Amino acid sequence: KAGVTQTPRYLIKTRGQQVTLSCSPISGHRSVSWYQQTPGQGLQFLFEYFSETQRNKGNFPGRFSGRQFSNSRSEMNVSTLELGDSALYLCASSALARGYGGATLDGNTIYFGEGSWLTVV
Amino acid sequence: AQSVTQLGSHVSVSEGALVLLRCNYSSSVPPYLFWYVQYPNQGLQLLLKYTSAATLVKGINGFEAEFKKSETSFHLTKPSAHMSDAAEYFCAVSPNNAGNMLTFGGGTRLMVKP
Repeated sequence: KAGVTQTPRYLIKTRGQQVTLSCSPISGHRSVSWYQQTPGQGLQFLFEYFSETQRNKGNFPGRFSGRQFSNSRSEMNVSTLELGDSALYLCASSALARGYGGATLDGNTIYFGEGSWLTVV
Repeated sequence: AQSVTQLGSHVSVSEGALVLLRCNYSSSVPPYLFWYVQYPNQGLQLLLKYTSAATLVKGINGFEAEFKKSETSFHLTKPSAHMSDAAEYFCAVSPNNAGNMLTFGGGTRLMVKP
């Protein structure tokens, strides 16, 4: 069974450009979350999607956006890139989302992909 | 808001020694708590999770953690460290009543000396 797949794995962008990162969740998973990991700020939650709807959003500026498609694949977009956006962006998927459809965390494991390394120069 | 504090950004142990990684949480409601491990250039792998069942939780690779409500702690232990345990470990809490959002601690880098 394939894991969470993120593309591209590595990319370099210039300040002011925009970037789109892609995440393919584990087959059958309907919940996708995104996290930003930096040495200074650690792991920070960006947003979560379940059944194509954004369910939770972290404290990031509007330059960060995302969406989820009907096949559960998700993309996140960062516009007008800044140097501080350089980070590892991690995608996580799970079969269910607590609170939606009666799911609990007991039988629901959250799996992470290997991440997309973004460098802004 | 729920938060997590990991004491010690770096921990060094000898191979075969006890591993103890500390995690304290703040929560006004019973929390859901997790430990993840991250190897270099990889994503996060779940070691174990506490979801209000047994307070002593056993995970993969010989790790376990004990939920102590009175101390608001969820420390991770392993009786005997192996070189392959060298990695960064993250404690996390699920702060919301809905969804899968996780709030992570700052991480602890475990070094294992031969």
